[in-house]
Amino acid sequence: KQEVTQIPAALSVPEGENLVLNCSFTDSAIYNLQWFRQDPGKGLTSLLLIQSSQREQTSGRLNASLDKSSGRSTLYIAASQPGDSATYLCAVRRNRDDKIIFGKGTRLHILP
Amino acid sequence: EAGVAQSPRYKIIEKRQSVAFWCNPISGHATLYWYQQILGQGPKLLIQFQNNGVVDDSQLPKDRFSAERLKGVDSTLKIQPAKLEDSAVYLCASSSGTHGYTFGSGTRLTVV
Repeated sequence: KQEVTQIPAALSVPEGENLVLNCSFTDSAIYNLQWFRQDPGKGLTSLLLIQSSQREQTSGRLNASLDKSSGRSTLYIAASQPGDSATYLCAVRRNRDDKIIFGKGTRLHILP
Repeated sequence: EAGVAQSPRYKIIEKRQSVAFWCNPISGHATLYWYQQILGQGPKLLIQFQNNGVVDDSQLPKDRFSAERLKGVDSTLKIQPAKLEDSAVYLCASSSGTHGYTFGSGTRLTVV
């Protein structure tokens, strides 16, 4: 049974710092991995999608890496801003049409 | 392209009442998912549809929850009767398979 763990559960950093959010999964046989952002009381916004054959994806100040063999992914946020404050969720998918399994998320607070 | 539409955004009901949520996925997406997200947790899959057939409903509390997807497009999720522990955000998502999930804004249900 696939389990997804995100560390840390919460993180507060001063504005302008670079930071890394971690995600680990127990079954390395995944189809893809997706990072989402969730603002309080809102739905999920997709940030980055990494297919199993890829090592990383970049979008603006965000970079996500994937190491299937070790069951790990990291989300790197450069030059953090107060607007980055949100919960970040990692989710993995086993097959093309399969459900995705989420971690519990990391609550990020960027201090002005 | 239009996103995943969900309604209502918020709902407050008394325990033992019934409630229904509606979802309209992205046009052409064959797969539709309903997730339940309890405060502080990652989303948990309730049911997955492929066109209008159920693929996975193993975590749906079938004694009180039901869902349908008529004509393989819109979907409704119903709870009858509601319990206090059903208070959560109910998220609908759709997928075309190769690409990642797209989530709606969710419905926040409060059972009092």
